[in-house]
Amino acid sequence: DVVMTQTPVSLSVSLGGQVSISCRSSQSLVHNNGNTYLSWYLQKPGQSPQLLIYKVSNRFSGISDRFSGSGSGTDFTLKISRVEPDDLGVYYCGQGTQYPPTFGAGTKLELK
Amino acid sequence: QVQLKESGPGLVQPSQTLSLTCTVSGLSLTSNSVSWIRQPPGKGLEWMGVIWSNGGTDYNSAIKSRLSISRDTSKSQVFLKMNSLQTEDTAMYFCARIRITTGFDYWGQGVMVTVSS
Repeated sequence: DVVMTQTPVSLSVSLGGQVSISCRSSQSLVHNNGNTYLSWYLQKPGQSPQLLIYKVSNRFSGISDRFSGSGSGTDFTLKISRVEPDDLGVYYCGQGTQYPPTFGAGTKLELK
Repeated sequence: QVQLKESGPGLVQPSQTLSLTCTVSGLSLTSNSVSWIRQPPGKGLEWMGVIWSNGGTDYNSAIKSRLSISRDTSKSQVFLKMNSLQTEDTAMYFCARIRITTGFDYWGQGVMVTVSS
């Protein structure tokens, strides 16, 4: 199975600040069809995860442009700018290029 | 709009079988695929399996021998059955729509299952 490694485990940020979360995969996430199926999810306290970003850099419907994804191959980054209170929670990266789908262990975003 | 909702018993005894239902609305199961994903308390996400729009299934090899996913398209329901439950199976169980392009784009609220005698 593809192992997804996220860093850091936790992150403290001031409101209005900017943060980056890293996600590294144990194998390339480039599919045979040329697409890279790397997604980012946010799980707010007491809620189910919600999709933020798919195929590395595409924002899902209704997601603010304060969220941006980048990367290629095995290294990926989620950036959050102008952090708001509603952004707090645990962020997960996930891959769908190789079965089974796997997720990182999560990065907890907290207020400083 | 697309909605998924899990239901099932909150408590299951060790060695017994877990049965969960995911009821979907706003989408047809004959053209959408649904996965089950679980999350032990305070831990990360584990993909369990999927029932594809064509009715085929795939399972996580770690639990494949214990897991079965099926559906009733007329009722817009997806079912999970997992046998020989142990305490390590205590988790929040989510169903989610899966699309190859976007990943898991819609999730249910989850149902907490505790395995205990």
